[in-house]
Amino acid sequence: GAGVSQSPRYKVTKRGQDVTLRCDPISSHATLYWYQQALGQGPEFLTYFNYEAQPDKSGLPSDRFSAERPEGSISTLTIQRTEQRDSAMYRCASSLTGSSNEQFFGPGTRLTVL
Amino acid sequence: AQSVTQLGSHVSVSEGALVLLRCNYSSSVPPYLFWYVQYPNQGLQLLLKYTSAATLVKGINGFEAEFKKSETSFHLTKPSAHMSDAAEYFCAVSGSGSARQLTFGSGTQLTVLP
Repeated sequence: GAGVSQSPRYKVTKRGQDVTLRCDPISSHATLYWYQQALGQGPEFLTYFNYEAQPDKSGLPSDRFSAERPEGSISTLTIQRTEQRDSAMYRCASSLTGSSNEQFFGPGTRLTVL
Repeated sequence: AQSVTQLGSHVSVSEGALVLLRCNYSSSVPPYLFWYVQYPNQGLQLLLKYTSAATLVKGINGFEAEFKKSETSFHLTKPSAHMSDAAEYFCAVSGSGSARQLTFGSGTQLTVLP
């Protein structure tokens, strides 16, 4: 696509529910990043993909968080058994390759856990 | 390990005045440095980047930043603020490896007063 898109833009869920967030990167981009941004803070790295491979999961806060990119294009981030502390903006970015210096960000998904 | 500190979570300037947003970094490897801007309900947009070429970097919308290794700083400036510059600004650092996940500062909200 022309830019990075994310859906839904807003998600409200109850504590304990599972949520899945979607990222559709720029079509020619091999590398995709997920970031979490708490209110009043800068984005923090969660994980990234090179095509369908996921070399680094070091930023995922707990085993309740998982991400996949099965066909090397669209990616999903799933949070199981959501907790109130998971409330944040989740941002996706893509870049042409892993060594590219410019990441293109989507508009983000605002997750609120009640 | 890398980190970024942005001094001043809120900065106000008058229209036409100098904009100065401060960023200091810490990095154990030669850093790549970035400034991103975020407008309401939009994704992060790259303003400019330093990737070990010229230390004075010019970006979009009249912004520039100077890399000062001795001061570990990468401050963002614009000679004359415009109302449209009101936004949140993030400084970020990455390494130069095969993946370039970004480490962000906590952001500076810029207000431009008429």
